[in-house]
Amino acid sequence: ELKVEQNPLFLSMQEGKNYTIYCNYSTTSDRLYWYRQDPGKSLESLFVLLSNGAVKQEGRLMASLDTKARLSTLHITAAVHDLSATYFCAVDPNNAGNMLTFGGGTRLMVKP
Amino acid sequence: SAVISQKPSRDICQRGTSLTIQCQVDSQVTMMFWYRQQPGQSLTLIATANQGSEATYESGFVIDKFPISRPNLTFSTLTVSNMSPEDSSIYLCSGGQTDTQYFGPGTRLTVL
Repeated sequence: ELKVEQNPLFLSMQEGKNYTIYCNYSTTSDRLYWYRQDPGKSLESLFVLLSNGAVKQEGRLMASLDTKARLSTLHITAAVHDLSATYFCAVDPNNAGNMLTFGGGTRLMVKP
Repeated sequence: SAVISQKPSRDICQRGTSLTIQCQVDSQVTMMFWYRQQPGQSLTLIATANQGSEATYESGFVIDKFPISRPNLTFSTLTVSNMSPEDSSIYLCSGGQTDTQYFGPGTRLTVL
């Protein structure tokens, strides 16, 4: 059974600081997704990582994938309050671009 | 990208009744899925909605409890049958092509 573990589950940080969220998974996969969810809202796609060594950046967020280590990271640079949300990683165990297994989520709170 | 809508957005239902949730995608998608997100939790895949055939259910979910239809490439329904308070959750449908999965806004279900 595929397990996807995120840590930390909760992160409180000051504006301007940097931090990394980790996503470990237990089976071979070359496809990993990062989503953002605001309270009461659906999921917004942030990044799709499709190969070993993939790195993508959007604004203050950067995601990377190491398929050999079965690890993805979401790095936050100089956090701002607007980044406060819950972040989920999700793995496609079939490498087919379909059903996803989600991590537990990281609830990020950025304080002014 | 695909835009996914769901109806209803929320409902409050009595124990023992059933609710059908509709999911509409604005373009043809290869795959459609139904997920459940219990309060404060991550997403769990319920089933893959297969066009013109029976859905494929994940462990712990059965057709009698969660019948699913997908009559064409852009529409699917999920019924939550014989509801109990434990079924109170957000139900999300998703759809996509090979490398991207989009999510609907979710249906927030409360069972009294």
